[in-house]
Amino acid sequence: EIVLTQSPGTLSLSPGERATLSCRASQSVTSNYLAWYQQKPGQAPRLLIYGASSRATGIPDRFSGSGSGTDFTLTITRLEPEDFAVYYCQQYGSSPTFGQGTKVEIK
Amino acid sequence: QLQLQESGPGLVKPSETLSLTCNVSGVSISGSNFYWAWIRQSPGRGLDWIASIYYTGSTYYNPSLKSRVTISVDTSKNQFSLKVNSVTAADTAVYYCARDRGGSYYFDNWGQGTLVTASS
Repeated sequence: EIVLTQSPGTLSLSPGERATLSCRASQSVTSNYLAWYQQKPGQAPRLLIYGASSRATGIPDRFSGSGSGTDFTLTITRLEPEDFAVYYCQQYGSSPTFGQGTKVEIK
Repeated sequence: QLQLQESGPGLVKPSETLSLTCNVSGVSISGSNFYWAWIRQSPGRGLDWIASIYYTGSTYYNPSLKSRVTISVDTSKNQFSLKVNSVTAADTAVYYCARDRGGSYYFDNWGQGTLVTASS
């Protein structure tokens, strides 16, 4: 099983700032099969990014994904009020697994 | 517009079987080239993918749950289902159904989730 470790656990930022979230895999993720999700309280996760860097339908371009192998990054260039949430990475190069999440909170 | 809706008992006794159904609307399960999945989320374990199924009955299972889980599909009702046997408190979670883009791939549409508690 591939273990995904996300850091930091919590990111305290102000609207308009840049957010950089990290996801590290315990072994190389096949074909960079990595996705990112956003989850708000009481809601299901929402797909943001797949294939490490492809935005899902309807996702604003302030969200971008990068990385390969074992190290991946989600960047939010300018935080909007609706972006404060928990973010999860997920690999699907082998049996799917999720990271433990990074909470982006208002500073 | 694709919508998924979970249904089933919110309380299951330990050692019994958890049964959930996901009703799919807005797209035909048998007419689409996608898989359909169950995922659960608990405070202790986070998000866990459970299983995925294609309309033909082809399945993928999480190896750690495979011995206790069965996923099935009913194309006539446009729904798919999950059974988890011999539940314990560790199976208490919010259970989501979702569209799986490739068979144990990523999940691009999710239901709202349903809380299932395993308790006597």
